[in-house]
Formats: sequence, C-alpha cells, structure tokens
Amino acid sequence: AQSVTQPDIHITVSEGASLELRCNYSYGATPYLFWYVQSPGQGLQLLLKYFSGDTLVQGIKGFEAEFKRSQSSFNLRKPSVHWSDAAEYFCAVGTGFQKLVFGTGTRLLVSP
Amino acid sequence: DAGITQSPRYKITETGRQVTLMCHQTWSHSYMFWYRQDLGHGLRLIYYSAAADITDKGEVPDGYVVSRSKTENFPLTLESATRSQTSVYFCASSEGVGAGTGELFFGEGSRLTVL
Repeated sequence: AQSVTQPDIHITVSEGASLELRCNYSYGATPYLFWYVQSPGQGLQLLLKYFSGDTLVQGIKGFEAEFKRSQSSFNLRKPSVHWSDAAEYFCAVGTGFQKLVFGTGTRLLVSP
Repeated sequence: DAGITQSPRYKITETGRQVTLMCHQTWSHSYMFWYRQDLGHGLRLIYYSAAADITDKGEVPDGYVVSRSKTENFPLTLESATRSQTSVYFCASSEGVGAGTGELFFGEGSRLTVL
C-alpha cells in the first residue's frame, strides 16, 4: 500500500535560515508527489508537485523540492525562511483515481 | 465567487445525532473528496467521487455516508455521530483529467465536535 512518512513532527528554524523538510514515500509505480501547506484555520494549498522530468521542482513562495528515486524521498527546501512560512506542511503521493495519500505533517515554527 | 465552500464551518452535536456537512464547488471538477484531519494522523480519505452518482470508499469510511446527485455538491453525512468522529473535515476537488494531475483544491474545513 502507498504510504508517506514525514519523520519530523515539529521543526524550529530561525528567520533567514535555510529549511529542509523530509518526506519519504512508498509506492510501487512512478509516483506523483506533492507538497501542501496549511496555515492555521485554513485549508491546504499546493506548494509544488512532481510528475516526471526534472527532479528538482520549483514551487510558490520560494520553495523547491527534489525527487530522489533511489532514496524514495521528496524533501522540501527553502534557502531563507520568513516568519510567514510558519505553518504545517504535508507531503503526499498520488495514487490511482486522483487519490492522494498524505503524510502526518510537519509543523514549522520560525523563531526571530 | 468561484471556489470550493464548506458548511457549516463549525458544528457541535451530541452522540447519536445525524449530521450533514455540505461541500459545493463551482469549477465543475469531476473528482471530489472528503478527508478528515486528526492530530498524529494527518489527512485520511473518507470517501471520494469520480463523477455524479459515482462514489467509493476511502481509508476510513465507517460511520459515514456520501451522495453526489449533482457534480457541484458532495455532502457528507454522519448517520449517528460518535465522539471518535470529532475532527476537522476537509472537502476537496480535482479536475481529474487523463494526465492525472492529482492537484486537489481544498475547502477551509468544517470543525465538528461530538459531545
């Protein structure tokens, strides 16, 4: 069965520092991979997605992610974090019929 | 306004009562989904629909009923609410075209408390 693991429940980063959120997936076929962000009290918004081609994908708000098939990973990165990036981040893998399987999320805290 | 809307945003009910959460989208997306979000579990799929009159179970369907008589609406009913169904419920939709983009567009959520 498909699954997504986000090993970090919480991460605290200083404003201006770089960020990397980890995501590992389990899926038998070529995966469709996504990162979503959820601000408090809000629904989820798509940050970026990978279907095929270039393994480094760019998203909104200065985020990027790299697909590494050999490691079954799709880690999210940002070179310089802003206080407004504080939110919960979800990695997801796309399966048949448009269904997504989500990880348990990583809550990002940004310190001054 | 175009988008996906959920109602009610907040609901408190008692054990055993029937509750219906509404979801409406204006994009004419083929696919619609209901997820629940709980601490430590992330989002789990309850039910989904590929088109009007086509629905199927997700990961955690027990205790829930859905219908989709119109493309734009996808209500979720808890027939007899239990405390374990206290959660935040998200409706989502997707174009679902052949390329399988898979991008979901989410509503703002419905927070349900069952006493």
